Amino acid sequence: NAGVMQNPRHLVRRRGQEARLRCSPMKGHSHVYWYRQLPEEGLKFMVYLQKENIIDESGMPKERFSAEFPKEGPSILRIQQVVRGDSAAYFCASSPGQGTANYGYTFGSGTRLTVV
Amino acid sequence: GESVGLHLPTLSVQEGDNSIINCAYSNSASDYFIWYKQESGKGPQFIIDIRSNMDKRQGQRVTVLLNKTVKHLSLQIAATQPGDSAVYFCAERSSGSARQLTFGSGTQLTVLP
Repeated sequence: NAGVMQNPRHLVRRRGQEARLRCSPMKGHSHVYWYRQLPEEGLKFMVYLQKENIIDESGMPKERFSAEFPKEGPSILRIQQVVRGDSAAYFCASSPGQGTANYGYTFGSGTRLTVV
Repeated sequence: GESVGLHLPTLSVQEGDNSIINCAYSNSASDYFIWYKQESGKGPQFIIDIRSNMDKRQGQRVTVLLNKTVKHLSLQIAATQPGDSAVYFCAERSSGSARQLTFGSGTQLTVLP
């Protein structure tokens, strides 16, 4: 079991470019979560997705950010027209489906986005 | 609790001593709590969890204590080892949320030789 796979590990973008972050959940996990972490801070929830559905996007900025989890392939967090303030570590986590007692996630190693 | 501030609280302990890391949470509706360990450059790693109907849970070398009266959570690490050096986060889940977690601001644990 390869765990939650995120790529790329490091991403550098110039202001105004687009950033695409990918997350493949653990095998058998159908729920994906994206979190953002600024230096020396805790993780902040962004969005919770199931296959082809956004369940909770209350933590997503209203503009420039979008997320998807298609029927096939990884979940994608997309940031359009990046600004310096978007520089952070973005973590993806996955969990089994509803009905399980364990709400603990498994996190990936993150994508560190640097906007120059 | 919410993550605020720019500087992580720090805790330094001698190798072999016990460590206690504390966390205050603010949402009385939270029904599930988790401790995560995050090493530099890595994602958070699950350590131990506890539900709100319990006040203590033990794992291997770790114990989590929950005091709902004062909304306080603690992580005790027995016989701390150099490999325990990391940032430790508590996280809570509100019973009304769609499985999202709210993370605390973290504590940097440094184990001294």
